[in-house]
Amino acid sequence: DAGVIQSPRHEVTEMGQEVTLRCKPISGHNSLFWYRQTMMRGLELLIYFNNNVPIDDSGMPEDRFSAKMPNASFSTLKIQPSEPRDSAVYFCASSSNRGVNTIYFGEGSWLTVV
Amino acid sequence: GQQVMQIPQYQHVQEGEDFTTYCNSSTTLSNIQWYKQRPGGHPVFLIQLVKSGEVKKQKRLTFQFGEAKKNSSLHITATQTTDVGTYFCASNTGKLIFGQGTTLQVKP
Repeated sequence: DAGVIQSPRHEVTEMGQEVTLRCKPISGHNSLFWYRQTMMRGLELLIYFNNNVPIDDSGMPEDRFSAKMPNASFSTLKIQPSEPRDSAVYFCASSSNRGVNTIYFGEGSWLTVV
Repeated sequence: GQQVMQIPQYQHVQEGEDFTTYCNSSTTLSNIQWYKQRPGGHPVFLIQLVKSGEVKKQKRLTFQFGEAKKNSSLHITATQTTDVGTYFCASNTGKLIFGQGTTLQVKP
């Protein structure tokens, strides 16, 4: 079984540019999460979806960040315009609402904004 | 909202020594999950505890959930260099809220 797939794995971009991070959750999972990880702030939940509907976006830092989930197999996290303080590892994760409710993480997108 | 506090933030041990990380909450937790993140990697699920006073073991790892369901611990016996990484506790209420993590360094 393929795990959570994220792209790009690494991105370096200039301040002011638009960044789009992509995620394909595990097939059959109906919850999807976007996390950001930095040394200073640890693992922060940005937003999560259930059955493609955004449930809680209280962790989204500001209006420059937006996330969409147009269907059960795809989600995007967009930053426009990007700033150096957005540099972080962005993880997408998914889970099933059945059983233990384990959350499976992708390998992350390492973003550097210069 | 529900938050979990984790201590210590860092721990350096000599290979073969034991290691413990603690997770505390001011509110009762419905469950607690533990994850491990290797350097440069992503968090990987280790275990979930649900019952008051529950104890689970995975080889050299022992996980406990407090009687009041407000605290949890992870204990590693006789650490090895492969145990290096950051250990997170997390409260799962539909969304997963992580503690700050304990980063373990093991000196060979």
